Amino acid sequence: GEDVEQSLFLSVREGDSSVINCTYTDSSSTYLYWYKQEPGAGLQLLTYIFSNMDMKQDQRLTVLLNKKDKHLSLRIADTQTGDSAIYFCAESISGGYQKVTFGTGTKLQVIP
Amino acid sequence: DSGVTQTPKHLITATGQRVTLRCSPRSGDLSVYWYQQSLDQGLQFLIQYYNGEERAKGNILERFSAQQFPDLHSELNLSSLELGDSALYFCASSVGTGKGEQYFGPGTRLTVT
Repeated sequence: GEDVEQSLFLSVREGDSSVINCTYTDSSSTYLYWYKQEPGAGLQLLTYIFSNMDMKQDQRLTVLLNKKDKHLSLRIADTQTGDSAIYFCAESISGGYQKVTFGTGTKLQVIP
Repeated sequence: DSGVTQTPKHLITATGQRVTLRCSPRSGDLSVYWYQQSLDQGLQFLIQYYNGEERAKGNILERFSAQQFPDLHSELNLSSLELGDSALYFCASSVGTGKGEQYFGPGTRLTVT
């Protein structure tokens, strides 16, 4: 079955880089995603990577995928206080329908 | 603003009652998903509809049901409510079913007293 795991908490100083990690178990994952949830709000899709890619960069965000180890990471460069939020990793498996499994979420605290 | 709307924003009701949560997807999106987010269970996928038909089921209780109407809006019905049903309920939508680019609504906060 699918299982997506993340560490619960990460604290960084403003201006540093943040790296949020995620491991998943289903090797048939097609897409992997990062979502951001700010307090009191819904989840916002940040970026996603197709499973045949190793890396994707989008401005301050870099996603790295190690398919062999089933490990996904999100690096945020020059972390700002506005980046403080919960970050969810998710995987989807296509096969007639799409089911997305979300991780437990990592709470990122940015210290000014 | 994701383009997904949910009503109501907040709902307070008593145990044993029944409530209906409503979701309007982004214009052009055919898929609607329902999720429950609680402190102890995290984000749980409940159910997905695509163009009016049920497509996938997750951890949805038998007391809960959903449907998607011809105009593509969706309703989640929660009955015989229990204290443990208190949570944030999110609706999300996507164009199709192939990828996970889901756009989330702001959620409905349900409090069962």
